[in-house]
Amino acid sequence: SAVISQKPSRDICQRGTSLTIQCQVDSQVTMMFWYRQQPGQSLTLIATANQGSEATYESGFVIDKFPISRPNLTFSTLTVSNMSPEDSSIYLCSVVFSTGELFFGEGSRLTVL
Amino acid sequence: AQSVTQLDSHVSVSEGTPVLLRCNYSSSYSPSLFWYVQHPNKGLQLLLKYTSAATLVKGINGFEAEFKKSETSFHLTKPSAHMSDAAEYFCVVRGAGGNTPLVFGKGTRLSVIA
Repeated sequence: SAVISQKPSRDICQRGTSLTIQCQVDSQVTMMFWYRQQPGQSLTLIATANQGSEATYESGFVIDKFPISRPNLTFSTLTVSNMSPEDSSIYLCSVVFSTGELFFGEGSRLTVL
Repeated sequence: AQSVTQLDSHVSVSEGTPVLLRCNYSSSYSPSLFWYVQHPNKGLQLLLKYTSAATLVKGINGFEAEFKKSETSFHLTKPSAHMSDAAEYFCVVRGAGGNTPLVFGKGTRLSVIA
């Protein structure tokens, strides 16, 4: 199995501010993904974090709102920019190893006031 | 593109009775299918997965699911519900390639009545 650390685990933020969520894995992974789970909803894929190039965003998500970095094979960040209450969600990092095994982080619970 | 449809948003059963959570999938390729469980304020836990081996897949906590290609279904079952099974259950599909992301169904909330 893998150890995936997401920080912060939870935060309360003010409208208009930005927050960066970190995802650290204890070994190199092939793919990293970021998901959002709004209150009472299922998980929706935000983007695929590509190492060494720009992230690939799903329909409805844009880089200006959710900039993503992936500087190496074990780390990625997701920033939620210019936050509004509608951004209150759990944000989850997901990783895929070369074996095809997939794991989720514990999630970052964000509340925007 | 792949997708899954969970046919029930909420299922309620009595403790000790069978559980059936229904899921239909759509995929252009031979899919990998998963069931995840999420307890309140907890992270996701993998219950079981199907990756083109045996069509009847056994998971943790007594759950199992059967892949039926002719019906494009992957229903989750358990012979006898326990109070601790009350949670949100997600049927999930992943396309071919192994490096593709998961696509989640909308979830089924399972309630267990004493």
